[in-house]
Parts: sequence; C-alpha cells; structure tokens
Amino acid sequence: NAGVTQTPKFQVLKTGQSMTLQCAQDMNHNSMYWYRQDPGMGLRLIYYSASEGTTDKGEVPNGYNVSRLNKREFSLRLESAAPSQTSVYFCATILGGAGSDTQYFGPGTRLTVL
Amino acid sequence: AQSVTQLGSHVSVSEGALVLLRCNYSSSVPPYLFWYVQYPNQGLQLLLKYTSAATLVKGINGFEAEFKKSETSFHLTKPSAHMSDAAEYFCAVSERGNTPLVFGKGTRLSVIA
Repeated sequence: NAGVTQTPKFQVLKTGQSMTLQCAQDMNHNSMYWYRQDPGMGLRLIYYSASEGTTDKGEVPNGYNVSRLNKREFSLRLESAAPSQTSVYFCATILGGAGSDTQYFGPGTRLTVL
Repeated sequence: AQSVTQLGSHVSVSEGALVLLRCNYSSSVPPYLFWYVQYPNQGLQLLLKYTSAATLVKGINGFEAEFKKSETSFHLTKPSAHMSDAAEYFCAVSERGNTPLVFGKGTRLSVIA
C-alpha cells in the first residue's frame, strides 16, 4: 500500500499561473485534508472533506479551491498563484467516524511562486 | 476555538540529556492531543497521541507525554537524546479524533554531540 501520495513533489510557478495539487490515498479513509506549512507558523488547514461529496473551508481558504473527485482523491487548485502561496502543502487522511483518531500525512508538495 | 502554544521555537540539548518540549492547549471540550515529528524534507509522522485513556502516553522512539488537565499541558519528554532525534516537533489538538487538527507553530530540536 502506498498510503497517501501527493503529486508533484516540487513546483515553481509564476505569479498568475494556475495549477492543481493532487492527493490520493489507498487507505479507504473517508476524510481528507489540505494543510499548508510555513516557517514559524506550523500547519494551517486550508480545506477539508469529511466524506465523499462534501468540502468545507478551513482557516486559510482564500485563493484556493478543492475537489473531492471520489473517495480516493482530493485535489487542491490555485487559480491564480501569488507569492504568498509559496509554501509546503500537505494532504492528510483519516478513517472518519467514531473511534478513528489518527491523521496520516502525505510527503508534501513544495511550491514556489515567483 | 482550540489553540496550541509550543514554548520555544528552538531547543538545543546535548546527546544523552533529557529532552523536554512544551505544549499547552486551549479547548472548550475534552481534547484529543497529538505529537508529530518532521524530519528534514519529509512529511509528518505520528509520535504519540492522547485520546482520553491513560494520561501518560508512550510513543515511538522512546518518547512519552503526560496529559495534565489542570495545567492544560501535554509536554513531550525523552530521558536521553540521540542525534537521530534532531527534527521539528509539532503538538496538535482536535475536538474529536476525526476532526481537523489545530497545530502549534513547532519546536525545532537540535542535538549536540
């Protein structure tokens, strides 16, 4: 099992360009999350999907959109990238429901916006 | 709203010395608490978690943490630091196990030979 995978690993964009970050999991988990990590800020929640077909905003959703394509995949889209979106992006998943308590993280996507 | 405060953005210890990383939380409901470790250029790995069972929690790599409700703390300790413990450590809280995590800003641990 691959667990949680993210593509691409690295990306450099120019201001105004668009791109989609992909996250896929083979753990049969229901809930998926997108976080961004910035130096000295910890990780902050961008969007999450509690179950297939639902999405909700997190702490820092501005400038992003998401799609829960199916149970396995949760993508994050930057429509018009800005330098402030330079960050490391992590996808995480959790089984969901009573008794589940551990989020599993992907390896991250390092994005630079020039 | 929940929040996490990690005291000290950088902690430096000698190899073999005690490691103590501090975490205080704020939560209006009984919290679930987590410590994650991040090695350079890698993702986050769960070290240990508190989910309302035993207040002293043992994790991987010899780490443990104690949940103290009266102090709203969940400090991470390890009796003897190893060079391989050098990494960034994040404390996180959630309302229930399956809700989004709120992270602290992280503490970078350096281990000096």
